Amino acid sequence: GQQLNQSPQSMFIQEGEDVSMNCTSSSIFNTWLWYKQDPGEGPVLLIALYKAGELTSNGRLTAQFGITRKDSFLNISASIPSDVGIYFCAGRGGDTGTASKLTFGTGTRLQVTL
Amino acid sequence: ETGVTQSPTHLIKTRGQQVTLRCSSQSGHNTVSWYQQALGQGPQFIFQYYREEENGRGNFPPRFSGLQFPNYSSELNVNALELDDSALYLCASSLSYNEQFFGPGTRLTVL
Repeated sequence: GQQLNQSPQSMFIQEGEDVSMNCTSSSIFNTWLWYKQDPGEGPVLLIALYKAGELTSNGRLTAQFGITRKDSFLNISASIPSDVGIYFCAGRGGDTGTASKLTFGTGTRLQVTL
Repeated sequence: ETGVTQSPTHLIKTRGQQVTLRCSSQSGHNTVSWYQQALGQGPQFIFQYYREEENGRGNFPPRFSGLQFPNYSSELNVNALELDDSALYLCASSLSYNEQFFGPGTRLTVL
């Protein structure tokens, strides 16, 4: 099945650094979402974006819905050890023709060193 | 408020067997979606149930089937298990087309 392209695939950063990751698609979406998944757990919703160009923050997290509706990025400021995990983008609606399913990205694995 | 719960946590089956996975949706949610997550991949949409009817299906064969009950809980059934069915199966609930909240998943291993 289709998966969105996320980059980078993995990253090692030091505590306190800022992090940027992005997600691109060949399809247009009406909604972009960012989830975080810890080992052995289900994905947890971090941020939802509903409008092209929208910039939304949730604490140290900021995400943007790309103008073309085919991309999104997530920034994490001042990273801390508990930010470790896998970050997934997901798109819904638009070209997929259905509002029922989420199409997920390939994931960005974040590791934070002290 | 109770979140999404899934059972069992882990399951081991052999090729050709059948399996049933269960999901209880979050309080107030009427829609359940199922996803398959292979190791190192993002979740892949299997299907969604809304008011006890299938409401969208991904690229999975008919041996993947489901049910939703009047209390909005759901089952995923997989017949004639294959080795490639080994994965984490995730259930997500939502209120109609609003945001989906995931359970912890069921880890299925097919030997």
